[in-house]
Parts: sequence; structure tokens; C-alpha cells
Amino acid sequence: DAGVTQSPTHLIKTRGQHVTLRCSPISGHKSVSWYQQVLGQGPQFIFQYYEKEERGRGNFPDRFSARQFPNYSSELNVNALLLGDSALYLCASGDVRAIQETQYFGPGTRLLVL
Amino acid sequence: AQSVTQPDIHITVSEGASLELRCNYSYGATPYLFWYVQSPGQGLQLLLKYFSGDTLVQGIKGFEAEFKRSQSSFNLRKPSVHWSDAAEYFCAVGAGRLTGGGNKLTFGTGTQLKVEL
Repeated sequence: DAGVTQSPTHLIKTRGQHVTLRCSPISGHKSVSWYQQVLGQGPQFIFQYYEKEERGRGNFPDRFSARQFPNYSSELNVNALLLGDSALYLCASGDVRAIQETQYFGPGTRLLVL
Repeated sequence: AQSVTQPDIHITVSEGASLELRCNYSYGATPYLFWYVQSPGQGLQLLLKYFSGDTLVQGIKGFEAEFKRSQSSFNLRKPSVHWSDAAEYFCAVGAGRLTGGGNKLTFGTGTQLKVEL
């Protein structure tokens, strides 16, 4: 079975631009979460979506937004990019039928903002 | 608020030696605890998890972890390290499915493991 997939793998943008990152969950998983991992730190929670609704949000500015599609894939959008947005963006999927959800991570999208 | 502390930023062990990576958590209710491993430039791979029951849990690649509620710890162990275990290891605590709060994971800052041949 395919794991979580993310695209693109790498991306270079300049300050002020907008970026869209994409994620496809493991087949059968309806929950998608997004994390930001800055170099040298652990991942930080940005959003969780399941059943196409936002279920949780971390301490990130409104420049960050996301949505989930009917096929449970998801997009993360970041507007007005700052140098500090350079990071590895990780997507994780989980099975909402489980009482305690385990999150499985994709390979990430590495974003560099110049 | 939940938090995780991994006191050791870097650890170096010789191949074949035993390993213990420390993790301390702070959470007001029953925690859901995880260990993930990250190789350079890669995503996170789940090693093991603790939800309830037996406090000693077995994972992949020969790893195990022990949940100690009295010490708020969830240390990762391996009896004999292989060179391929060199990577960064992250401990995480999950809040479970909270109404309106999602099911976020809170990660520690990671421990970088180096294996000497």
C-alpha cells in the first residue's frame, strides 16, 4: 500500500510570494495533519482536518491556511512568504475510526524562501 | 498544555553497544506517546507507540520503550545498536481526539544519534 505522498519535494520561493503544498493520505485515512519543521527543531503542529473540516489549529498566523478535498487529500497554502517560513513541511494521515489515532508521515516538502 | 523534553541533543554510541534515549513529557491526562525516527532529508517513521496497557512496548527495528507514569518518562531503548540506526529520534505526546481541538502531536526537539564503527 502506498504511504502518505506529498508534492512537490522541494520548492524555492522569494519573499512575498504564495505557495501551495499538496498531500495525499494513506488509502482509507480521512484525517490529514500538517506540521512545520524548522532546521534543528521538532515538528510543530499547524492544522488538522478530517471529514473536510478544520479540527485543530496550531499557533500560526493567518497567512497559513489549508483545506481538505472530497477525496481526503489536502492543500496547505502560505501567503506573503517570509524568510522564516523556510522549513520542511510534513503531512501526516490517520484513521479517524481509531479511538487513539496514530499519525503516519509523508516525506515532506522542503521550502526555501529567499 | 502538553510538552516533551528530550534532554540529550546528541548521543554517540559504538556499534553493538546498548542505547537509551530519554524522553520526559508533561500532560494533564493519560498521554498517548510515540517515538519517531527521521533519517537525513526524510520524513518521520513511526518506531512505536503507547496508548494503554503494558508499559513496555515493542517497536520496529528492535526498539522498545517503557512508560513510567511516576517519572513522566517514555525512554527508548535498544540492546545492540547497528550503524544503520544513526538518525534523529523524536519523542511525541498526543492529546487524543479532543472536541474542537484536533489530535495534535507535540514533539520534543529530537536526539541526534551517531554510531561509531
